[in-house]
Amino acid sequence: AQSVTQLDSQVPVFEEAPVELRCNYSSSVSVYLFWYVQYPNQGLQLLLKYLSGSTLVKGINGFEAEFNKSQTSFHLRKPSVHISDTAEYFCAVSRDTGRRALTFGSGTRLQVQP
Amino acid sequence: ETGVTQSPTHLIKTRGQQVTLRCSSQSGHNTVSWYQQALGQGPQFIFQYYREEENGRGNFPPRFSGLQFPNYSSELNVNALELDDSALYLCASSLGSGGVQETQYFGPGTRLLVL
Repeated sequence: AQSVTQLDSQVPVFEEAPVELRCNYSSSVSVYLFWYVQYPNQGLQLLLKYLSGSTLVKGINGFEAEFNKSQTSFHLRKPSVHISDTAEYFCAVSRDTGRRALTFGSGTRLQVQP
Repeated sequence: ETGVTQSPTHLIKTRGQQVTLRCSSQSGHNTVSWYQQALGQGPQFIFQYYREEENGRGNFPPRFSGLQFPNYSSELNVNALELDDSALYLCASSLGSGGVQETQYFGPGTRLLVL
C-alpha cells in the first residue's frame, strides 16, 4: 500500500512571495504523483502530474513540482503567489499498475496575505 | 462542453437511513470514480466504474454501493447510514479504461450530514 504525508497543514505567505508545499510519499512500487487544488465549495482541479521522464513538472497557474525518488518527495513550488492562489492543495499518489485509485494526503491550506 | 455535475449539493439524513447521490460525467467520459472527503481530510477512494462495471474498490464496507448507467452517469448508494458517513462525496470522471494516468475531472461534491 502507498501513503502520502503533507508536512504542513497550513502555509501563510505574503502576496508575490515564493512558496513551497511539501509532500512525501511511501510506496514499495513505482508510482505516479499528482497535485490537486480545491477552491472553497468546489471540486478538485488537477495542477500537474508526474508519470515518467523529466523530474521537473510544470503545471497550470505557474506551479511546478520536482520528483525526488531518493527522498520520496514531490514538493510543489511557485515563485510568486497571488491572492487568488488561496486554496487547499492535495498531493496524491497512485501505483503505476493494478488498483486504479488515487491516495491523497490530508491537504495543505495555502493562505496568501496582501 | 459541460463539466462534472453532482446532485444534490447538500443533504441531511438521520442514522440508519439510506441515501442516493448522483453524478453526471463530463461529456464523452466513460469512467467514473467516487471519493469520500471527511472534514479536514483528503479524499478517500470508494470505487470506480468503467462501462457500467465496477473496476476497483477501496476499503469501504458493502453498504456503499454504486451504479453506472449506459449514458455513463452514476449513483452512489449508502445504506444504514452512520454518523461517520458525514462527509463531502466527490465524483470524478475520465476518458479511457480508468488508468490513473488519465486526468480525472472532479465535480463540486455533495455534502452529506448524518444526524
